[in-house]
Amino acid sequence: AQTVTQSQPEMSVQEAETVTLSCTYDTSESDYYLFWYKQPPSRQMILVIRQEAYKQQNATENRFSVNFQKAAKSFSLKISDSQLGDAAMYFCAYRSGGPGGSGYALNFGKGTSLLVTP
Amino acid sequence: DSGVTQTPKHLITATGQRVTLRCSPRSGDLSVYWYQQSLDQGLQFLIQYYNGEERAKGNILERFSAQQFPDLHSELNLSSLELGDSALYFCASSVGLERSNEQFFGPGTRLTVL
Repeated sequence: AQTVTQSQPEMSVQEAETVTLSCTYDTSESDYYLFWYKQPPSRQMILVIRQEAYKQQNATENRFSVNFQKAAKSFSLKISDSQLGDAAMYFCAYRSGGPGGSGYALNFGKGTSLLVTP
Repeated sequence: DSGVTQTPKHLITATGQRVTLRCSPRSGDLSVYWYQQSLDQGLQFLIQYYNGEERAKGNILERFSAQQFPDLHSELNLSSLELGDSALYFCASSVGLERSNEQFFGPGTRLTVL
């Protein structure tokens, strides 16, 4: 089974600064997807960004970008120009590229709580 | 708003009881996933249905069951409830079974077992 590890339970960043959240994963598959989800205090799960393993180019969505290192099985999220609204729990998630036994279910890390200070 | 609805928003019940959580997927989505978010286990996949059929199973307890109806809404049934079943239960839907299909999450049902 694939495991997703987020080694930073909490992170803090000042408004307008840049922060990087870490994620590593363990898999024997070559075809998979990786995601970052944001969960604000409302508890809604919001997709921030996704990366397909066979694409070497790192995904970018406005102020959010990833550093995908396939060989190292690392998938970090960089948030630039941090805003107060970025404060939330961030989850890294893995999804297999083939249906397998768990279909296309998401496998989540434990999460990183991001605090943004004025 | 993801387009996925879940009812009720909150549910408080006692140990040993049975509850039913309901999920309506986005219009046109055939696949429904159930996830549980608890302090102990984090976010974990429970079960998936596609067009009325069970498609994949995760860490779902035998006391839990689910189904998807012809109108594609899904229900998650939790029975013989224990304190440890207190959690946030999410439903997510996707269009189908294509590998690229994105999952859209509902707002969740907060279950408290006293």
